Order: sequence, then C-alpha cells, then structure tokens
Amino acid sequence: DVQLLESGGGLVQPGGSLRLSCTASGFTFSYYAMSWVRQAPGKGLEWVSGFSGSGGTTYYAESVKGRFTISRDNSKNTLDLQMNSLRVEDTAVYYCTKDRGRHIYGMDVWGQGTTVTVSS
Amino acid sequence: DIQMTQSPSSLSASVGDRVTITCQASQDIHNYLNWYQQKPGKAPKLLIYDASTLEAGLPLRFSGSGFGTGFTFTISSLQPEDIATYYCQQYDSVPLTFGGGTKVDMK
Repeated sequence: DVQLLESGGGLVQPGGSLRLSCTASGFTFSYYAMSWVRQAPGKGLEWVSGFSGSGGTTYYAESVKGRFTISRDNSKNTLDLQMNSLRVEDTAVYYCTKDRGRHIYGMDVWGQGTTVTVSS
Repeated sequence: DIQMTQSPSSLSASVGDRVTITCQASQDIHNYLNWYQQKPGKAPKLLIYDASTLEAGLPLRFSGSGFGTGFTFTISSLQPEDIATYYCQQYDSVPLTFGGGTKVDMK
C-alpha cells in the first residue's frame, strides 16, 4: 500500500522555524518527484515546493523562496521541508505528495496533512 | 505564473444531474491539466490527469476534456458521494498552480 505520513507540524511564533517530515512507503521513493502542497484555513490549494525524482532539481513557489528548503533522503524514504522566517500567512495544513512520475506533474498520492499555525 | 480560473465557484445539483465545471488557463498549457476532488477534512484525490485520462478504478461518470486554455470537468450523473470541492491544476510549468475550486453540494 502506498502511504505518506507527515509529522512536525505545530504552533510557532512569527519569525520562527519548523521542520516538516514525510515518511514514504509502498513505492520506489527515489524515482518519483515529491512535493509539498498547503491549504490555508477555508482556502484553496497552493503548491509550495517540489523535488524531482532520481536526485533531481528543487523548485519553490515565489511566496516561500529563500525561506523554505526542501530536501529528500532516498536511503530513508523521507522528504523534509525546513521552514524559516515563518509568517502568519504560512498558517495552513501542509500535505506531502507523490507525483505520477519523475518530474513535477501532479499529485497522485497525498498524506493526511500536518497543521502549521503561525501566531503570537 | 500561469493563472487558472475555475467556474463556477459553487453549484447545487440534484442526484442524477449532469454537472459541468470549467477551468481556463491564462496561457496555452496543452493538455497538462489535472482534476482533484476534496471532501471536507480530507486530503485531495487525483481524479483525472492529462486533461482527460481517468485514474484507474474511478467511476466512469467522471470525465474531462479540453486542450490549450479551456478545459471541462463533467460528472454525468451526480451521486451523493460526489459532494466535494473540485480543483483543476496545471503542470505545464512550475510553479504548479490550482484553480480556486468549485464546491458541489446537493440541492
């Protein structure tokens, strides 16, 4: 069974940092592109960052560029998102997602999501 | 960035009705379009990719069409379990961008 399990969400003050982790199972993790997608309360979906498969390239939304860093460890089947200089507008449910292929196309498997709240 | 404009933002329909949602891209995205379904409190689910290819195992009442800048998602006969919000998403270029969503509820 293909599964993605996120962890690391929580409450953090503006300007603070948080690291999200995603553990994958049930597929050849190293081959597939992976992304983080977020959803602010009551809002739509926003793609945040992606990492192409087979040791490829990283990509970021303009809204997080320079503040967030995506990384993956293919030996441990994990995808991380280091979030620095957090803002109130970063408050959202963050989903770890698997792509259909090696490149950033679209998300065919989603985790259950982890909630990040940025508030003083 | 490519802007995705989805309409309507919400609709009400009865069981058995045909439901149509449209998605307009701000530039040519060929057929690089996905459709997702999201039920309340749940993660989104991929329904259609490459604008018209139905994910394996999904009901045939879901379909998609379009190319270039105009796309359509159709539920041929609405069922109670189809109550959800639907999103289009382009993958012609990064950043991936989503439409604003269409909330479908039962009349």
